[in-house]
Amino acid sequence: DAKTTQPPSMDCAEGRAANLPCNHSTISGNEYVYWYRQIHSQGPQYIIHGLKNNETNEMASLIITEDRKSSTLILPHATLRDTAVYYCIVGYGGATNKLIFGTGTLLAVQP
Amino acid sequence: ETGVTQSPTHLIKTRGQQVTLRCSSQSGHNTVSWYQQALGQGPQFIFQYYREEENGRGNFPPRFSGLQFPNYSSELNVNALELDDSALYLCASSDLFSESTDTQYFGPGTRLTVL
Repeated sequence: DAKTTQPPSMDCAEGRAANLPCNHSTISGNEYVYWYRQIHSQGPQYIIHGLKNNETNEMASLIITEDRKSSTLILPHATLRDTAVYYCIVGYGGATNKLIFGTGTLLAVQP
Repeated sequence: ETGVTQSPTHLIKTRGQQVTLRCSSQSGHNTVSWYQQALGQGPQFIFQYYREEENGRGNFPPRFSGLQFPNYSSELNVNALELDDSALYLCASSDLFSESTDTQYFGPGTRLTVL
């Protein structure tokens, strides 16, 4: 079973920041938090991951609470192309990591 | 650098038949994982191959089997198809020795329909 809890859906206005929450209260000390997204009819796409510190890349920012029991994915300026299902996943990292997906959050970016 | 490719794109089979799905990993990637995604659900891990050996398996029966070849391409075989096997089958490749070792790159999937 997935170790994460996410809201089933969220809306965001185009051009605004999208903040997607994730709870992972049972995360262990050496487990990472990963975010992937799946645009309709495509394979999942890696977005970002982190262990303890906040992370930023060209796609998004990841904010992990100090107790590591929750995190937030931030898309700073959402576009219509960001409409997708976003999955928060907890795992031990590395190329042989087996991703355990939940049902994710459907983010609908509205014009 | 080419991405992950899968074939065929769509496939229709009848119950009891056998099917083989194919995946070509991203260039140089040595690890491939297979996932099953039923409609409205997140992908479920089937198994993973590393250097042609199975390296972990999810909660799937033995009629789901796989192969990884020396060029790191892979096959997923499903015997005695059941209606519940209808799903999108995804493969993902990753590279144990790259800077982006934590990233799995997914293909577009094969949509299998079992009638």
